[in-house]
Amino acid sequence: DAGITQSPRHKVTETGTPVTLRCHQTENHRYMYWYRQDPGHGLRLIHYSYGVKDTDKGEVSDGYSVSRSKTEDFLLTLESATSSQTSVYFCAISDWKNNGKNIQYFGAGTRLSVL
Amino acid sequence: GQQLNQSPQSMFIQEGEDVSMNCTSSSIFNTWLWYKQEPGEGPVLLIALYKAGELTSNGRLTAQFGITRKDSFLNISASIPSDVGIYFCAGQVYNQGGKLIFGQGTELSVKP
Repeated sequence: DAGITQSPRHKVTETGTPVTLRCHQTENHRYMYWYRQDPGHGLRLIHYSYGVKDTDKGEVSDGYSVSRSKTEDFLLTLESATSSQTSVYFCAISDWKNNGKNIQYFGAGTRLSVL
Repeated sequence: GQQLNQSPQSMFIQEGEDVSMNCTSSSIFNTWLWYKQEPGEGPVLLIALYKAGELTSNGRLTAQFGITRKDSFLNISASIPSDVGIYFCAGQVYNQGGKLIFGQGTELSVKP
């Protein structure tokens, strides 16, 4: 599982409340990613990080913010949750090989329901 | 932005049959990855392809990186019930932070 832990695994919240999801890794990977998965869309990138305090936006970043204060933790925050953010959220890390190639490994996901 | 079209969206097959699915894109990728996802879990990598024309196998699975760099296919031979799940293709372009663009997925059902 590449040492990735997501918490919580399930959460139900109300519209307008802030929500923070956590991704923890144990293998000191520099790159970490947050995706959301919705039926018919596959996985779409929200934000990613390429080091401590270094983050960038992905394809669907509106309404989300991230923080990376230490290598092992990457936090995803929904500033004011909306029903459209009901989804399954996946964290991933990139394992970069010496030849420059990389492979992404995924956590088990967080199922978020916004009521 | 870049998009991947994956087909078919779903397949219902008999155990023992071969399966083929593919992904196409309007733009070029440097890497193609194939993942499998089972209920309640994250995607698990099956095969990684790094070179145009590359053909790679992993047990009963075979995947190819298209010559044009705009497509890839995955074949599963002699399917078994544990092949059930959703299969995703994903493309990657160099120097974009390792970001992946995913296809919509192919849901595979295998009847014993």
